[in-house]
Amino acid sequence: QQQVKQSPQSLIVQKGGISIINCAYENTAFDYFPWYQQFPGKGPALLIAIRPDVSEKKEGRFTISFNKSAKQFSLHIMDSQPGDSATYFCAATGGGGADGLTFGKGTHLIIQP
Amino acid sequence: DAGVIQSPRHEVTEMGQEVTLRCKPISGHNSLFWYRQTMMRGLELLIYFNNNVPIDDSGMPEDRFSAKMPNASFSTLKIQPSEPRDSAVYFCASRPDTSYNEQFFGPGTRLTVL
Repeated sequence: QQQVKQSPQSLIVQKGGISIINCAYENTAFDYFPWYQQFPGKGPALLIAIRPDVSEKKEGRFTISFNKSAKQFSLHIMDSQPGDSATYFCAATGGGGADGLTFGKGTHLIIQP
Repeated sequence: DAGVIQSPRHEVTEMGQEVTLRCKPISGHNSLFWYRQTMMRGLELLIYFNNNVPIDDSGMPEDRFSAKMPNASFSTLKIQPSEPRDSAVYFCASRPDTSYNEQFFGPGTRLTVL
């Protein structure tokens, strides 16, 4: 599996601030880039996803920015809330999203009240 | 909808024993995935099936691991013999057979091999 690199490993943000997590990939065959959120003791759950034919996707407070030429994408969480404290994983897959996911190593996000 | 169901939720076994993890995908989903999560290696794809047929098993670590999907509503992941380094959380996920659709993850099985 091709690697997906994620940074930072951990992040502390004040309530109301912007949380930013970055990912980079190598395999140009990837065509679907989801972000998953995981709480302790739970399975990952889809947060938001993007296809490479758009440069940005926004859903509520969550935005993905995608740079196809640089092979990079990022997650922005606006107005971060304590309930957003979780581990976030970027991922990538090919085959129209049909293949298995290649995950980044995860970012442990803490939102301080 | 009950979501993806995995059993058992926790398994503690001794080195050398056989371990069988079970998964029931969401009804109507055609693809099923097995992942493993550890602190050191993160989330890794082990194998995935489409319409009960294994498509990619390149992530299966060694011959001690095997997976089956005898029908659309059931899959097993077996480790025989188990080793302490197999200790991890094993997740099953399923997705419908349409493009760009999300994978739905189960709650996971936490395996501890002593």
